[in-house]
Amino acid sequence: DAGVIQSPRHEVTEMGQEVTLRCKPISGHDYLFWYRQTMMRGLELLIYFNNNVPIDDSGMPEDRFSAKMPNASFSTLKIQPSEPRDSAVYFCASSPGLMPNEKLFFGSGTQLSVL
Amino acid sequence: ELKVEQNPLFLSMQEGKNYTIYCNYSTTSDRLYWYRQDPGKSLESLFVLLSNGAVKQEGRLMASLDTKARLSTLHITAAVHDLSATYFCAVDSGTNNDYKLSFGAGTTVTVRA
Repeated sequence: DAGVIQSPRHEVTEMGQEVTLRCKPISGHDYLFWYRQTMMRGLELLIYFNNNVPIDDSGMPEDRFSAKMPNASFSTLKIQPSEPRDSAVYFCASSPGLMPNEKLFFGSGTQLSVL
Repeated sequence: ELKVEQNPLFLSMQEGKNYTIYCNYSTTSDRLYWYRQDPGKSLESLFVLLSNGAVKQEGRLMASLDTKARLSTLHITAAVHDLSATYFCAVDSGTNNDYKLSFGAGTTVTVRA
């Protein structure tokens, strides 16, 4: 298996632009997580899905952020409009289920820079 | 809010010597996880500790969990250069259907000759 695939690997955009990050989980995995990593706040959970349904979005910083999982093989994290403080590495992770944190596989991340 | 504290945040190790990283957390959870991250890379799972007294070992790394003290340790034996990385501990609430992981700030390890 190719693992969790995220795209793009790097994204540079200007403040106010819309940004869409993409994630393809490992086939057969029921859980999908979006995490954000910054120097100031460390690793934070933004949202997670179970069987394509959002379960906990309490970590989504504000209405500018939205996440979708239209099917079992694809998820997006959208920021509109983007701001410089959104600059971070965004990780997607997937898990086969039951106790998802016991077998959590992270993607390579998307490095987002908002100028 | 679940808090996870790691110390030290930075650790300069000498090859061949032993060191310990500490992870304290604020909840009664008995589910604790250790990850490794190389610079510019993703997170790699090292250990999953799921009960009081759990001990896991892999090569020069050994992790243990004391749920009563709300403390986990990551012990490094005879450090080698390949162990240079940032190590994170993470905890979830320990309740069913709550799978939000809270991470420590990370311990950046540098192993020198």
